[in-house]
Amino acid sequence: RKEVEQDPGPFNVPEGATVAFNCTYSNSASQSFFWYRQDCRKEPKLLMSVYSSGNEDGRFTAQLNRASQYISLLIRDSKLSDSATYLCVVNGRGYSTLTFGKGTMLLVSP
Amino acid sequence: DTAVSQTPKYLVTQMGNDKSIKCEQNLGHDTMYWYKQDSKKFLKIMFSYNNKELIINETVPNRFSPKSPDKAHLNLHINSLELGDSAVYFCASSPWRGQSNTGELFFGEGSRLTVL
Repeated sequence: RKEVEQDPGPFNVPEGATVAFNCTYSNSASQSFFWYRQDCRKEPKLLMSVYSSGNEDGRFTAQLNRASQYISLLIRDSKLSDSATYLCVVNGRGYSTLTFGKGTMLLVSP
Repeated sequence: DTAVSQTPKYLVTQMGNDKSIKCEQNLGHDTMYWYKQDSKKFLKIMFSYNNKELIINETVPNRFSPKSPDKAHLNLHINSLELGDSAVYFCASSPWRGQSNTGELFFGEGSRLTVL
């Protein structure tokens, strides 16, 4: 099982749609979780952290299920500017690496 | 002001050459990294330094040698370049809180290396 696995993409959705990304991780000792966004030919940027109780930031909602080792990101009312690749990232404890998933590309069309 | 800056942004070179990529961060972070993103867009850690000390060295050929003269700089030198080294190399930094990396990575814009 890969360390961090994401839905294969791309996801093609119309503006205004709701879209959900899923991610699973293999290391049950993982401590913290994030979603990053990477625009085409740009660097990844932190979108949001994922907290155990779930958290929301405007149109974006992140959920964590530790028992299932599963993370999700929900985008409501998609905008053209949401088109990007969304990367699921998992961190261990202490001197550990952030492990990135391969990412899921989102294409929002008019 | 650019928070994490790396140079050069583009590098085209012949197989067998030696090249360096430089990275500087002005965020006051303790930890810096080199990541490689290949043609399949998979982003993989190469090295990490915390306060100039190497803390992570993934399975990377020893033709790659990082150097951290101070905690604001992390350079990457590559010897005897091969075709498979073609990729985008991202430098990043992150704060260190307590006993762990906070997970908030700040990336540079990337250095696109093409080996011919």
